[in-house]
Amino acid sequence: DAGVIQSPRHEVTEMGQEVTLRCKPISGHDYLFWYRQTMMRGLELLIYFNNNVPIDDSGMPEDRFSAKMPNASFSTLKIQPSEPRDSAVYFCASSFRGNNQPQHFGDGTRLSIL
Amino acid sequence: DAKTTQPNSMESNEEEPVHLPCNHSTISGTDYIHWYRQLPSQGPEYVIHGLTSNVNNRMASLAIAEDRKSSTLILHRATLRDAAVYYCIGGISEKLVFGKGTKLTVNP
Repeated sequence: DAGVIQSPRHEVTEMGQEVTLRCKPISGHDYLFWYRQTMMRGLELLIYFNNNVPIDDSGMPEDRFSAKMPNASFSTLKIQPSEPRDSAVYFCASSFRGNNQPQHFGDGTRLSIL
Repeated sequence: DAKTTQPNSMESNEEEPVHLPCNHSTISGTDYIHWYRQLPSQGPEYVIHGLTSNVNNRMASLAIAEDRKSSTLILHRATLRDAAVYYCIGGISEKLVFGKGTKLTVNP
């Protein structure tokens, strides 16, 4: 079975540009999670969806960040405008029925903002 | 979610058992104990989880203390591919709070 697919794998862009990260969850999974990992802060949950509806976005750092899930097989995390401190590895994960079912992570997007 | 405490690093030899400890003294009665690991340059990977009873799967065993204030992840025969950061998390699966974890080094 295909795992969680994230694109792009690497993104380098200049400060102020819009960045869009993409995620395709595992088919049939109804929970989708976005995380950010940095050396300083470790792995942080940004937002998660259940059945395409955002449930908890308390981890989203500020209004420059937004996430959408237009259908069960696609989600985006957008940063506009981007700043150097947004540089990190962003992971998407999905799980089935959430209730203590394991999360399956993608390989991440390594984002560098110059 | 419960605060967890893990050693920063541990070392093991290949083909020997590894016991990774975790303290979670503030865990609530309904919080599960989850273990994930992260290999270099990869996303975290689920290892095992449990509530009260010891659990086994093809990857590892999880031994949970009777008072649930601590647990131990057991890798029965470490391989070089088990070198990773291991995270112990107390809470519900929808809100996993990752700490710094234990970096496991496996020596050949």
